Amino acid sequence: NAGVTQTPKFRVLKTGQSMTLLCAQDMNHEYMYWYRQDPGMGLRLIHYSVGEGTTAKGEVPDGYNVSRLKKQNFLLGLESAAPSQTSVYFCASSLRQGWDEQYFGPGTRLTVT
Amino acid sequence: AQKVTQAQTEISVVEKEDVTLDCVYETRDTTYYLFWYKQPPSGELVFLIRRNSFDEQNEISGRYSWNFQKSTSSFNFTITASQVVDSAVYFCALSDPTSGYSTLTFGKGTMLLVSP
Repeated sequence: NAGVTQTPKFRVLKTGQSMTLLCAQDMNHEYMYWYRQDPGMGLRLIHYSVGEGTTAKGEVPDGYNVSRLKKQNFLLGLESAAPSQTSVYFCASSLRQGWDEQYFGPGTRLTVT
Repeated sequence: AQKVTQAQTEISVVEKEDVTLDCVYETRDTTYYLFWYKQPPSGELVFLIRRNSFDEQNEISGRYSWNFQKSTSSFNFTITASQVVDSAVYFCALSDPTSGYSTLTFGKGTMLLVSP
């Protein structure tokens, strides 16, 4: 039982490049989330999903896209990376509603130069 | 709109001291949920506690205790006899009907440094 895993752990991109971050959970959770963490800003929600095939915008969705084609996977895409997207990205999942405990992945440190 | 304020950016204590981390929230709703998460230096966030708005009983778990006061919209976290392993960033969070209870609003976190 791996919980929530994220791929990759580190990545350096050049401005304008694209990439996809993969989040996988093996707990059969319905809800999945993508956050970014920046110094002094806490955790901010980018996008989330309440079930397979669904996605919704969070607090800071601009510049990102997501897909939830399979229940266990939640992908975060950057189509044209910008230095402002340099951050640590966390994926999380919860069993049902937002009031359930969220389980977090180890994070992906992304640097955009 | 819902909001969570953790006014203490960083706290430094010496081992065995007691320390309280403050959390003040704003919500227009009567039914909501409050959380505390811990982020140790390794980076992965760990759930500590959830409290619903109808349960104002204080909670104690070992050296950890939580004081929920609706009258002051606060959900404070106390560590008794702190240890070096308690060094981490601690986040308070809120889930309420504004998001359909689908998401959490996090405070900016309090970094706790416990020195030997």
